[in-house]
Amino acid sequence: AQTVTQSQPEMSVQEAETVTLSCTYDTSENNYYLFWYKQPPSRQMILVIRQEAYKQQNATENRFSVNFQKAAKSFSLKISDSQLGDTAMYFCAFLEANTGNQFYFGTGTSLTVIP
Amino acid sequence: KAGVTQTPRYLIKTRGQQVTLSCSPISGHRSVSWYQQTPGQGLQFLFEYFSETQRNKGNFPGRFSGRQFSNSRSEMNVSTLELGDSALYLCASSFGDRNNEQFFGPGTRLTVL
Repeated sequence: AQTVTQSQPEMSVQEAETVTLSCTYDTSENNYYLFWYKQPPSRQMILVIRQEAYKQQNATENRFSVNFQKAAKSFSLKISDSQLGDTAMYFCAFLEANTGNQFYFGTGTSLTVIP
Repeated sequence: KAGVTQTPRYLIKTRGQQVTLSCSPISGHRSVSWYQQTPGQGLQFLFEYFSETQRNKGNFPGRFSGRQFSNSRSEMNVSTLELGDSALYLCASSFGDRNNEQFFGPGTRLTVL
């Protein structure tokens, strides 16, 4: 089974600053997808960003970007110009390309943006 | 477009009872996945249904079962409840292809006393 590790249970960042959340994963597969999901205090999980393993270019979505290091099996999320609405639990997730929708999630990082 | 809905939102049961949770996916989505979320374990995959068939299954005991109907709505059943089954149960729907985004529901908070 694949494993996803988020080694930072809690983090905080000043509003307007930049923060990086870490994620590592373990797999023997070559084709897969990686995701960052956000779960605000209201509990509804939403997708932040996704990365296809075959793409070398790091994905970017507005203030959110990833640093994908395939050889190191690392997938970190950078949030620029942090906003109060970014306060949430962030989950890193792995999806193997040749299966159904069996996502493997990390244990999450609780991010607090301080005004 | 309506999002993923889950009913009930909160549930309190006692040990030994059984419970059924319901999930209505976004219209057009054929895949429904279920997850158990606990503070210590994070999100753990229970199973995925696609076109009324179980396509994937996680490492949960047989007390956890599910099904999907022809309209893609899904139910999850837990029999002989244990204290450790207390958790937030999330369902997520998608079109079913590999790279499709999963859309999550608000979850059902199950408390077992």
